[in-house]
Amino acid sequence: QKEVEQNSGPLSVPEGAIASLNCTYSDRGSQSFFWYRQYSGKSPELIMSIYSNGDKEDGRFTAQLNKASQYVSLLIRDSQPSDSATYLCAVNYFGNEKLTFGTGTRLTIIP
Amino acid sequence: DGGITQSPKYLFRKEGQNVTLSCEQNLNHDAMYWYRQDPGQGLRLIYYSQIVNDFQKGDIAEGYSVSREKKESFPLTVTSAQKNPTAFYLCAIRDRLDGYTFGSGTRLTVV
Repeated sequence: QKEVEQNSGPLSVPEGAIASLNCTYSDRGSQSFFWYRQYSGKSPELIMSIYSNGDKEDGRFTAQLNKASQYVSLLIRDSQPSDSATYLCAVNYFGNEKLTFGTGTRLTIIP
Repeated sequence: DGGITQSPKYLFRKEGQNVTLSCEQNLNHDAMYWYRQDPGQGLRLIYYSQIVNDFQKGDIAEGYSVSREKKESFPLTVTSAQKNPTAFYLCAIRDRLDGYTFGSGTRLTVV
């Protein structure tokens, strides 16, 4: 059973600080990795994808991938109250047509 | 919604009743997916289809049925055999980044 693990939180971060979200996965054959943001009552929206080891930056968001340690993380700089949401990690395994999702981490930014 | 339309937004089902959730896309994507989301359990795959007239069971297909007669449409029927259908149902297509784009979802409640 291929698994994706996330700390469910809640994670509370002061406004303006860096929020760090982590995700581990069980299968070394994993190929691509995604972070989704989901506001309460809404559907998930894709905010970052990463395929290679290292960092990928997009505005205030940075995704970090370490395949040797089998983890992927999301950093949110200069956190804003609008960043308060549940963040879902998803993994695509090689040869698999579907994504496997973690249960999500609930993030609250404190003004 | 990125060209994916789910309807209705809210749906109420009586015991023993079959209901059908609609998912339509105008993005010309081949792959379409149905997920179910329950609190604290993340997203679980019900069915997916990679091409017209073909579909595969996901992890929790029991009590559900689908059809894929047109590329644009992938309806999900929740049958009376599904004993705990109350959940948030999400339809998705697979986009060029290899991640998903989700519809706005249907919230199904048993009354």
